[in-house]
This record gives sequence, structure tokens and C-alpha cells, in this order.
Amino acid sequence: KNEVEQSPQNLTAQEGEFITINCSYSVGISALHWLQQHPGGGIVSLFMLSSGKKKHGRLIATINIQEKHSSLHITASHPRDSAVYICAVSPSGSRLTFGEGTQLTVNP
Amino acid sequence: NAGVTQTPKFQVLKTGQSMTLQCAQDMNHEYMSWYRQDPGMGLRLIHYSVGAGITDQGEVPNGYNVSRSTTEDFPLRLLSAAPSQTSVYFCASSYSRGAGPSYEQYFGPGTRLTVT
Repeated sequence: KNEVEQSPQNLTAQEGEFITINCSYSVGISALHWLQQHPGGGIVSLFMLSSGKKKHGRLIATINIQEKHSSLHITASHPRDSAVYICAVSPSGSRLTFGEGTQLTVNP
Repeated sequence: NAGVTQTPKFQVLKTGQSMTLQCAQDMNHEYMSWYRQDPGMGLRLIHYSVGAGITDQGEVPNGYNVSRSTTEDFPLRLLSAAPSQTSVYFCASSYSRGAGPSYEQYFGPGTRLTVT
């Protein structure tokens, strides 16, 4: 069993829909990261959180440390949100352990 | 700032050849890492460094060497390329925000390597 599990693996939505991607982990962590990888391949950091909730534009990330679970929400989804979303955890220091990613496709 | 840069973007090697993937960052970040990304497996840590002169192995270090002689550069060497090393390689740098243990990550654009 992977230390970081994401669901779903693939997600197709219609423009405007509310989207949720889930991440569960099995190790103690100092932080959890949500990353975005566009079709061109580049990876950007969306959020880093160790408790509570963070919001940036239409993206919201939450974490429940007791349940070892995090969610990434996208409100009013748009085709430009189509990408792979990756959950990663820092068990310690700067090293990351990654989930396999969720491929999101938003159709117009 | 250029951020994290990687060269080359694409490379094809024959089995047994050696090469160096270059990674540089201009943000004065103390931490740098190399990851490989393979279909269905997510990103995996190859080697990492917590500062100039200090490196350590990650999850999949076999067949790779690293060194960190300066804060800015963290090259990854493939000693004798094998088809199993066909992958996309990402370099990342990070720093600690404030006094806490959380590290903001910055990724390079990646190098797509094919070994035939």
C-alpha cells in the first residue's frame, strides 16, 4: 500500500462544476502539498498546509491531521483547470512522498 | 529570477553511455532534490541535498550519482545508462518558511530521457 493515496485517478467534469480530489496518507507529516502538472509537464506548487484550510482564487485545500486526509476543491471549474493534480507529503524535512496524481479533464 | 533550470530538455542515450543532467537555482535555496516520474508510479526521490557539500540517497538511488559543490548547482550523473532509466527527471529546490518544518517546493521544467 502506498503511503499516499489519491482518488479518483481520473476525473472528467463539465465547465462550471465543483470538483473535489481526495488524498489520504499513512505516515506522520510536517506538511502536505498540492501540486499541479500541466500537459506541458511543468509542476507548480498550489498549496502547502499543515492544518486547517487555505484558499487561492477558485482553489481550496483542506487538511484533517487526525484523519490523515486532505481535499483539493475547485469551484466553478474551467477547461484551463485540466491538468494532473498531485498530493505529496513531507514526513520530515524537505523530502516529499507523492501520490500517483489525479488526471482532471474539464470539458467546455 | 530564473527559478530552477534544467538542461537538457530532451536526451536520447544508448545503453551504457554516461551523461550528466544539469540543475541550477538562483533563489539561494538550501535544499535540492532529484525526482523521476514514471507512468503509474508518481514521482520518486532519487537523491537530495540539504546544503552545499551534503547529499543523501532517496528512494531509487541506484545507477545515479550526485554532488553539491555550490548552493546553486545540483547535477545528476547517470553512470552507465540502462533502458530502465528511461523517465522524466525533475529537479526541485526548497526552503523553510519561517521557523517551522514546512518547505515550499519549486520544480524545474524536467528532462525527458530515453535510453535505447
